[in-house]
Amino acid sequence: LAKTTQPISMDSYEGQEVNITCSHNNIATNDYITWYQQFPSQGPRFIIQGYKTKVTNEVASLFIPADRKSSTLSLPRVSLSDTAVYYCLVFTGGGNKLTFGTGTQLKVEL
Amino acid sequence: NAGVTQTPKFRVLKTGQSMTLLCAQDMNHEYMYWYRQDPGMGLRLIHYSVGEGTTAKGEVPDGYNVSRLKKQNFLLGLESAAPSQTSVYFCASSYEGQDFSGANVLTFGAGSRLTVL
Repeated sequence: LAKTTQPISMDSYEGQEVNITCSHNNIATNDYITWYQQFPSQGPRFIIQGYKTKVTNEVASLFIPADRKSSTLSLPRVSLSDTAVYYCLVFTGGGNKLTFGTGTQLKVEL
Repeated sequence: NAGVTQTPKFRVLKTGQSMTLLCAQDMNHEYMYWYRQDPGMGLRLIHYSVGEGTTAKGEVPDGYNVSRLKKQNFLLGLESAAPSQTSVYFCASSYEGQDFSGANVLTFGAGSRLTVL
């Protein structure tokens, strides 16, 4: 399982774009990159997943450079409700031993 | 479509008591997982199952047992609760069919908050 490193916390203001970068230097050829969001007292929920280049959905965009050693989750025009912990996971389908790091605590203020 | 349902949502135990947490999913997922989350920490995998009748240890299995007698249910048991097991427990499930490609996506339950006095 590829080790990931992401910032412990980030602060932003409403309406700004937030980019959270995750480093995964030892990512394997078959590994996918998946991001989850967790609100207090709730279970994490899936945000976005990608393998290479750029993926976009109604919630976020995921940018993955050619070497795949890092990835960036981009949240456009955040609001107070985006305050949460964001986790980056790197693994191959075969879902054993899926462990989460401490994630990035995003705080959005007015 | 209920997704992943955990019961109970809250429980208080005394040291040495036993209890079982139930996780039920209605998505026909093969894989199921139990995690614990302590304050300010990420999620740590306790046990997981890759199918009915199978279980395997995760990162922090000591003090817990699990069973997967039916595909839709994954039970987490504490035989003799200890204060160190005070935590929020999350169950998750994922699809892993033969036509699967990529990395599986986990669907989580709402959590079960356990306090051991």
